[in-house]
Amino acid sequence: GAVVSQHPSWVICKSGTSVKIECRSLDFQATTMFWYRQFPKQSLMLMATSNEGSKATYEQGVEKDKFLINHASLTLSTLTVTSAHPEDSSFYICSAREGRNQPQHFGDGTRLSIL
Amino acid sequence: QKEVEQNSGPLSVPEGAIASLNCTYSDRVSQSFFWYRQYSGKSPELIMSIYSNGDKEDGRFTAQLNKASQYVSLLIRDSQPSDSATYLCASGFQKLVFGTGTRLLVSP
Repeated sequence: GAVVSQHPSWVICKSGTSVKIECRSLDFQATTMFWYRQFPKQSLMLMATSNEGSKATYEQGVEKDKFLINHASLTLSTLTVTSAHPEDSSFYICSAREGRNQPQHFGDGTRLSIL
Repeated sequence: QKEVEQNSGPLSVPEGAIASLNCTYSDRVSQSFFWYRQYSGKSPELIMSIYSNGDKEDGRFTAQLNKASQYVSLLIRDSQPSDSATYLCASGFQKLVFGTGTRLLVSP
C-alpha cells in the first residue's frame, strides 16, 4: 500500500518552457502533499506544502509565481515550473500523506533538465 | 530553527555486521520520527516510523527513540551490500524536517 505515482520521470526541454509534473496517490487519499527539490549530493529541500482544496504554502525563498502548485483532489497534485531556466534543473520529488503524524510516501521523482 | 542532525559518514561496515545510524533533533515537541532510505539518484523510501519512546523492530531494522535525549537511532542487523544507501532521519508534525543523511557502505 501507500503508493505515490509521479510523472514524468524525466524531462529535457528548452529554456523558457513551462513544465508540469503530476503526483498521484494511488491507494489512499492524501490530505496533504509536499513538493521537494534536491540538488546533487544535497539533502531534500521542501518547496511547498499543499492541502487539498486550498492554496499551497510555500517555503521561504521559493517563488510562488514560478512554481505553481494545484491540489484539486485528494489524489492529485501538480507542480508547474513556469518559464524554466537552466538553474531550475534539479530532481523534483513529491510526497503524500494520509493524515497528520502519518509518514510521507514519496513518488519516484522527476529529473528536470533545462537546456 | 528546527534541526535534525546526522553524521554524514560514510559509515562502513562489513556484510553481516550491525550498522548503527544516529540522529538528534532540536524540536522538543516533535511527535513523529521517520527513517528513510535513499539510493543514489532515487527518491526516499520509508523504512521505519516511531512515535513513542523505546524500540520498534521490523525485520532486520530496529528504530530507537529517546525523547528525553532528543535522539533517534536505526539499527540494521545482518547488513547486506544492498543496504548501501543514504539514510535520512526526519521528524516533525505538520511538515518534516530532514537531516542531511548518513551514507552507509556495506562491503561484501
